[in-house]
Amino acid sequence: AQSVTQPDIHITVSEGASLELRCNYSYGATPYLFWYVQSPGQGLQLLLKYFSGDTLVQGIKGFEAEFKRSQSSFNLRKPSVHWSDAAEYFCAVATGVSGGYNKLIFGAGTRLAVHP
Amino acid sequence: NAGVMQNPRHLVRRRGQEARLRCSPMKGHSHVYWYRQLPEEGLKFMVYLQKENIIDESGMPKERFSAEFPKEGPSILRIQQVVRGDSAAYFCASSPPPHKGNEQFFGPGTRLTVL
Repeated sequence: AQSVTQPDIHITVSEGASLELRCNYSYGATPYLFWYVQSPGQGLQLLLKYFSGDTLVQGIKGFEAEFKRSQSSFNLRKPSVHWSDAAEYFCAVATGVSGGYNKLIFGAGTRLAVHP
Repeated sequence: NAGVMQNPRHLVRRRGQEARLRCSPMKGHSHVYWYRQLPEEGLKFMVYLQKENIIDESGMPKERFSAEFPKEGPSILRIQQVVRGDSAAYFCASSPPPHKGNEQFFGPGTRLTVL
């Protein structure tokens, strides 16, 4: 069965430090992968997505992610974190693509806190 | 271009009442998804609809929950005889036809509290 695992429930970093959020997926075919960010009380905003091609994907707000098929991973990175990055981050894989639509399976999320 | 609209943003119901959650997709989007987020958890897929059709309802509870996306008007997620365990945030997402892109755009959610 398809699944997404985000091993880190909470992460705290200092402002200006680098960040890596881990995501591992289980999916039989070539995955469509996404990272979303959710601020408190808000909906989800897409940070970046991977469908095919270059395995290093650039997103908004200075985020990037690297798809590693051999490790079934799609980790999110940012070289220098800003206080406004404090939020919850969700990794997701799309299923049902062969049927012409995307049903997203989400990980449990990683809550990021940023210290000044 | 307005984003995905959901209303109400907050809904309080007593056990046994009905909850109706509305979702207006982005302009030009004819595909709607509903997800549920329980406290401290990620989002779980519930149902995928196109105009007047339910395509995939594999994530919907078998009883009390129903969804529709009529030809005119918003998509509605209906929960009958609510119980405390239905308390959650319910998110709607819309997307263009798959051949025009794969991104789902999410609304702000409706936070349902069952007393």
